[in-house]
Amino acid sequence: EPEVTQTPSHQVTQMGQEVILRCVPISNHLYFYWYRQILGQKVEFLVSFYNNEISEKSEIFDDQFSVERPDGSNFTLKIRSTKLEDSAMYFCASKEDVLTHYEQYFGPGTRLTVT
Amino acid sequence: AQKVTQAQTEISVVEKEDVTLDCVYETRDTTYYLFWYKQPPSGELVFLIRRNSFDEQNEISGRYSWNFQKSTSSFNFTITASQVVDSAVYFCALSERSDAAGNKLTFGGGTRVLVKP
Repeated sequence: EPEVTQTPSHQVTQMGQEVILRCVPISNHLYFYWYRQILGQKVEFLVSFYNNEISEKSEIFDDQFSVERPDGSNFTLKIRSTKLEDSAMYFCASKEDVLTHYEQYFGPGTRLTVT
Repeated sequence: AQKVTQAQTEISVVEKEDVTLDCVYETRDTTYYLFWYKQPPSGELVFLIRRNSFDEQNEISGRYSWNFQKSTSSFNFTITASQVVDSAVYFCALSERSDAAGNKLTFGGGTRVLVKP
């Protein structure tokens, strides 16, 4: 069964460093998302991406964050200068259809630890 | 603005007991979509069920069933005859139709279910 994959599974970085989290969505899916989950808290929407551009972003997704689909398969989240409060689990998700609200399928997550 | 509330933070049951998880949502849209996701200890988010606001028929799928009541804005989820493998955090989520740009999911705070043998 097709699945969303994410690398790395765990990333440790120092405050102020740049990190890139990588995702490979399900191949025929058209909508891509990043969410984050601070330990023990709810899952929060960061950004959605369609047709090679951001379709919506949350207040969390400030200028430190960017997303890119550099080729036909990868979808990346970059944090330019990490802060301690960026420590969280980051989930990538993808959705098959543009016009319907089908379920989003999530990757296994990347745990980001900022020290 | 959309909002999802899961008032139960943790539920503990003994194996084979039924577990019902409450979910209350707020939305201004007349068309919206509700979901339940499971997050086992391994951390991934697993899609369980989806419900459209225009279909209030309640269903059963294996040991899972759900009770969608538009009048009370509730979308409760029941696990029948719970098993130890059901131990996880369960999230209710909402997507609004008017949010055509992104179809983002708004999640509740989650309910941790602990099933003891």
